[in-house]
Amino acid sequence: AQSVTQPDIHITVSEGASLELRCNYSYGATPYLFWYVQSPGQGLQLLLKYFSGDTLVQGIKGFEAEFKRSQSSFNLRKPSVHWSDAAEYFCAVGAVASGSARQLTFGSGTQLTVLP
Amino acid sequence: SQTIHQWPATLVQPVGSPLSLECTVEGTSNPNLYWYRQAAGRGLQLLFYSVGIGQISSEVPQNLSASRPQDRQFILSSKKLLLSDSGFYLCAWSLTGGAFFGQGTRLTVV
Repeated sequence: AQSVTQPDIHITVSEGASLELRCNYSYGATPYLFWYVQSPGQGLQLLLKYFSGDTLVQGIKGFEAEFKRSQSSFNLRKPSVHWSDAAEYFCAVGAVASGSARQLTFGSGTQLTVLP
Repeated sequence: SQTIHQWPATLVQPVGSPLSLECTVEGTSNPNLYWYRQAAGRGLQLLFYSVGIGQISSEVPQNLSASRPQDRQFILSSKKLLLSDSGFYLCAWSLTGGAFFGQGTRLTVV
């Protein structure tokens, strides 16, 4: 069965600092990988996704993620964090066959706090 | 472009009362539709999904039901709410390539 681990429950960074959120997955085949962001009381917004090809994926809001098959990781990065980036971030893995939400497995999330 | 609407945003209901949460999608046809529940600190749990009108699959046994009376409408219901039904409910749609979520409904059962 597929699974996703986000080892960091809570991360605090200063505004302007760089950010890396970790995501490790377990899946028996080539996965679809996603990062979502959720502001308090809001739905999830898709930041970026990886299906195939270039392992460095660019997303919205200046985020990027790198797929490393050898490490089963899909870490999210941003070179300079803005106060508006404070939110909860979810990594998800899905079956390559369909990429449908039914087959998505979500991590438990990482809460990001940004200090002024 | 596609949009998804979910309402109400917040809801406080007494134990034993009925529930109806509605979700509609615009700008796409025959999407897959989903209801998720999010408990604090526990990520997302898939409750129901639908691949077409009248076609509902349940992922977990529970006090809730879902219906899809129209192609782009997905409804989450309960006849009698329990305290344990409290949570944040999210509707989502997909065709391929991941899921797109509504803004969610915060349900508090008192």
